[in-house]
Formats: sequence, C-alpha cells, structure tokens
Amino acid sequence: EPEVTQTPSHQVTQMGQEVILRCVPISNHLYFYWYRQILGQKVEFLVSFYNNEISEKSEIFDDQFSVERPDGSNFTLKIRSTKLEDSAMYFCASSEGAQADEQYFGPGTRLTVT
Amino acid sequence: QKEVEQNSGPLSVPEGAIASLNCTYSDRGSQSFFWYRQYSGKSPELIMFIYSNGDKEDGRFTAQLNKASQYVSLLIRDSQPSDSATYLCAAYSGAGSYQLTFGKGTKLSVIP
Repeated sequence: EPEVTQTPSHQVTQMGQEVILRCVPISNHLYFYWYRQILGQKVEFLVSFYNNEISEKSEIFDDQFSVERPDGSNFTLKIRSTKLEDSAMYFCASSEGAQADEQYFGPGTRLTVT
Repeated sequence: QKEVEQNSGPLSVPEGAIASLNCTYSDRGSQSFFWYRQYSGKSPELIMFIYSNGDKEDGRFTAQLNKASQYVSLLIRDSQPSDSATYLCAAYSGAGSYQLTFGKGTKLSVIP
C-alpha cells in the first residue's frame, strides 16, 4: 500500500541553524501539506501546496518557513533560523484531491532545537 | 476561530465493550470530518471520514454526524487492547480552505 515517507526521523539542531525536512508524498497525490505537533498539544496546520505553489498557510507559517517541490517526488519544508519553540513533530501529508479529500500522514520528523 | 473540541479522557473500557468518542466543532460551515488514530510517538492514521448526516459503518467502527448539533462521534465495537490510542477528530471547513482543524484528541484505554 502506498505511503508517505519522511526523512530524517529525528533531527537535532542548534538555535539559529537552518533545517530542511524532506517528504515523499504518495505518487498519484496532487496536494501536499505540512503539519506540526508540539509535545502534548494538538496537530496544527502549517501550509498546503498544489501545482507548485502555496495554496494556503497558517499564521504559524511565517517568513522563517518555506516549502518547495524540488523534483517530481520530493516535498520539503525549510526552517531558516530555528528557535527553541520550533521543537515539535513535523508531519507531511498528501491527498489525491483537495477540499474534503482524505489526507494521509507520513511518520513524521521529530525536530529538537537546542 | 475554528475549534474542534474533544474530551481528553482518558476513556477506559473493558475488552469487548463499545467505546464511544465524541467531538464538537464550532464552524457551522464545516463540510467533512475525519477520525484519526494516533499511537504514542507515531503519526495520525486515518480511520474514517464522514460527510453526510447520519451513520457510516466500516467494520468495527461507526462514525456519526449531526450537523444541526455540530457533533461527530466514533463508536468502536468489540474494543481490543490494540485499540488503545489517542483518537483525533478533524474537520475540513471547505469554502476554499485546504486545512484540517484537529481536536486535542481523546485517549482511549481498553482494559484486557
């Protein structure tokens, strides 16, 4: 069964450093998403991406964040200058269509900022 | 502010019993609803989705939606210890929005 994959599973970085989280969405899916979950809190939407551009972003997704689809399979989230409060699980998700279509989540990347 | 509310639990049920998980949402325009299961330290796993008022059954799981009351529920029949997890309710607001709004989740414990 096709699944979303993410690398790395765990990333430790120092405050102020840049990190890139990588995702490979399900191959026939057209819509891609990033969510994050701070320990003990709810899953929060960051951004959605379709047709090589951002379709929606939340207030959390400020100028330090960016997304890119550098090739036909990968989807990346870059955090330019990490802060302690960026420590969280970051989940990539994909869906075949948008608006009410099922979103399937990858296993996540645990980001620890020290 | 669109909110999805769930009782955080924990909800404890004996093995073989029916577990009932509830969720309310604030955005009356929400169009579809999803139940995810999340084991500790793992990612959300989609269990069911529902768009229309009424019941939808899939194996041991039944989702119920009442748009007038802004209420969604998930019933798990013949609960098993492997069902022990946190269950997340999520809503799609529609109207051009692509994001899922999640509740904090209800922790379910099935006692053997």
